[in-house]
Amino acid sequence: DAGVIQSPRHEVTEMGQEVTLRCKPISGHDYLFWYRQTMMRGLELLIYFNNNVPIDDSGMPEDRFSAKMPNASFSTLKIQPSEPRDSAVYFCASSLSRHEQYFGPGTRLTVT
Amino acid sequence: TQLLEQSPQFLSIQEGENLTVYCNSSSVFSSLQWYRQEPGEGPVLLVTVVTGGEVKKLKRLTFQFGDARKDSSLHITAAQPGDTGLYLCAGLPIAGGTSYGKLTFGQGTILTVHP
Repeated sequence: DAGVIQSPRHEVTEMGQEVTLRCKPISGHDYLFWYRQTMMRGLELLIYFNNNVPIDDSGMPEDRFSAKMPNASFSTLKIQPSEPRDSAVYFCASSLSRHEQYFGPGTRLTVT
Repeated sequence: TQLLEQSPQFLSIQEGENLTVYCNSSSVFSSLQWYRQEPGEGPVLLVTVVTGGEVKKLKRLTFQFGDARKDSSLHITAAQPGDTGLYLCAGLPIAGGTSYGKLTFGQGTILTVHP
């Protein structure tokens, strides 16, 4: 299996622009998680899905953030409009039931 | 909200030394996972401990789950430069509610092993 795939790996954008991060989970996994990692706050869970349905989005910082999972093999995290404080590494992870999570390589986002 | 306190935050040691990283909580967890993350990569699962008092060994790494399933430790024997990285513990809550499936991560321990 290719593992969790994320794109792009790096994104540099200007403040106010829309940013879309993409994730392809491991085939057969029924949970998908979006995390944000910064030096100051560590690894934070933003939202997670079970069978494509959002279960808990309490970690989404603001209405500027939205996430979708239109099917079992694809999810997006969108930030609109982006702000410099959104700069971080964003990880997608997937798991089978409540078992171990497998992380993607992350997207390093820089908002100038 | 379940919290995991991880200590120490930073650890800088010489090759060959032993070290222990601790992960503590006031909450009971269904299981506890340890991950290692290298720069530019996502966290990679090392081990999952499920039973209170359980001890698991992975070469020079020894993981222990507390009897009450509230805490865990990671011990590395004879550390090597290749052990350098960020170590994260993560707890899975007891089944039920909106926390089902949601891991709580500790803040992490940055380990540097000097040759």
